[in-house]
Amino acid sequence: DTEVTQTPKHLVMGMTNKKSLKCEQHMGHRAMYWYKQKAKKPPELMFVYSYEKLSINESVPSRFSPECPNSSLLNLHLHALQPEDSALYLCASSQGAQRGARYNEQFFGPGTRLTVL
Amino acid sequence: QQPVQSPQAVILREGEDAVINCSSSKALYSVHWYRQKHGEAPVFLMILLKGGEQKGHDKISASFNEKKQQSSLYLTASQLSYSGTYFCGTEIRETSGSRLTFGEGTQLTVNP
Repeated sequence: DTEVTQTPKHLVMGMTNKKSLKCEQHMGHRAMYWYKQKAKKPPELMFVYSYEKLSINESVPSRFSPECPNSSLLNLHLHALQPEDSALYLCASSQGAQRGARYNEQFFGPGTRLTVL
Repeated sequence: QQPVQSPQAVILREGEDAVINCSSSKALYSVHWYRQKHGEAPVFLMILLKGGEQKGHDKISASFNEKKQQSSLYLTASQLSYSGTYFCGTEIRETSGSRLTFGEGTQLTVNP
């Protein structure tokens, strides 16, 4: 299985809502990532989990809260978002750079298109 | 710091060749190349490590000049399916982990 799955595909939420995005991979990868992508822009790194521990947080506002329950699953909890947070949220996985993996190419899921009203 | 990609856009006729460039001001561990079609996820094409190793699709070729921290992606005998936005990603490894930063992208259009 070489697929990264993400649910839901689309999400519309109000500024007072709480919602979660989910990501799953079964490639045995030990690093998982959240990216935010605005239209006609590159993916922008938000968080990196390595061996289920948060290793990088790119100064993301606390209204975004990541969670890695196990090596296959990654969640992104959303609370009190702003309209400017509307974007495509991409999850990716890779072997992981720690513990000596030379190649660390990332495999992306299809994304969740989020609209904040 | 974000790598610089050029050109911003390329229009080709089927069968023509193109080169996309990526440069960084930082010392890199590797350079990645991805293609993203409209409404889809980025798809991995190629990874080039400092030291010369590389891995990727058979029909794609690329180079990485470590001294200049520059990489180029070579698309030869282009096909309609090559259309999309190409991103280079520069990988830096720190004690905290691996960080991939993408360039602004190159929009490639292949016409019949």
